[in-house]
Amino acid sequence: EDQVTQSPEALRLQEGESSSLNCSYTVSGLRGLFWYRQDPGKGPEFLFTLYSAGEEKEKERLKATLTKKESFLHITAPKPEDSATYLCAVQEVNNQGGKLIFGQGTELSVKP
Amino acid sequence: EAGVVQSPRYKIIEKKQPVAFWCNPISGHNTLYWYLQNLGQGPELLIRYENEEAVDDSQLPKDRFSAERLKGVDSTLKIQPAELGDSAVYLCASSQGGVAGELFFGEGSRLTVL
Repeated sequence: EDQVTQSPEALRLQEGESSSLNCSYTVSGLRGLFWYRQDPGKGPEFLFTLYSAGEEKEKERLKATLTKKESFLHITAPKPEDSATYLCAVQEVNNQGGKLIFGQGTELSVKP
Repeated sequence: EAGVVQSPRYKIIEKKQPVAFWCNPISGHNTLYWYLQNLGQGPELLIRYENEEAVDDSQLPKDRFSAERLKGVDSTLKIQPAELGDSAVYLCASSQGGVAGELFFGEGSRLTVL
């Protein structure tokens, strides 16, 4: 059964303190791995797509990487506005229609 | 460009009452999704539409949930009768065909069943 597990569940950082969020996945074949950001009371907002091991994507202070079993979201010198829940999702290779399996998310809090 | 619009944002009902949620996707997006999100959890797919056809409704509890997407644009998700365990956020999302995984979500409809 396809499964996505994120760790830690919650992470508190000081402004400027870099860290990483982990997403471990189990799928029969990976079509894509996706990172989303979700602010309280809002729907998830798309950040990145990764397709194959070794691939990296960057956006401002965020960098996503992918291996065959997990993905990391690295946050460099975070700011308070980076506080949000970060969701990881996978799409299985035989699923042509965009069904995503989400992890439970990591709630990030960045204090000034 | 307008994003995905959902209504109502909040709904409080008594158990056994019916409830309906409405979604207007981004113009030109032929794929529409309804997801359920419980507190502290990631979204879970309920149903996916390609135009007006429901192509994946395997996770939709069909005894009490129904959905429709008339004319391949707006969609409605209905629960009748609602149960206490249905309290959650119901998220609508849309995407363009062929762009795997890049879903555009609405702000969600938060349901509380008393």
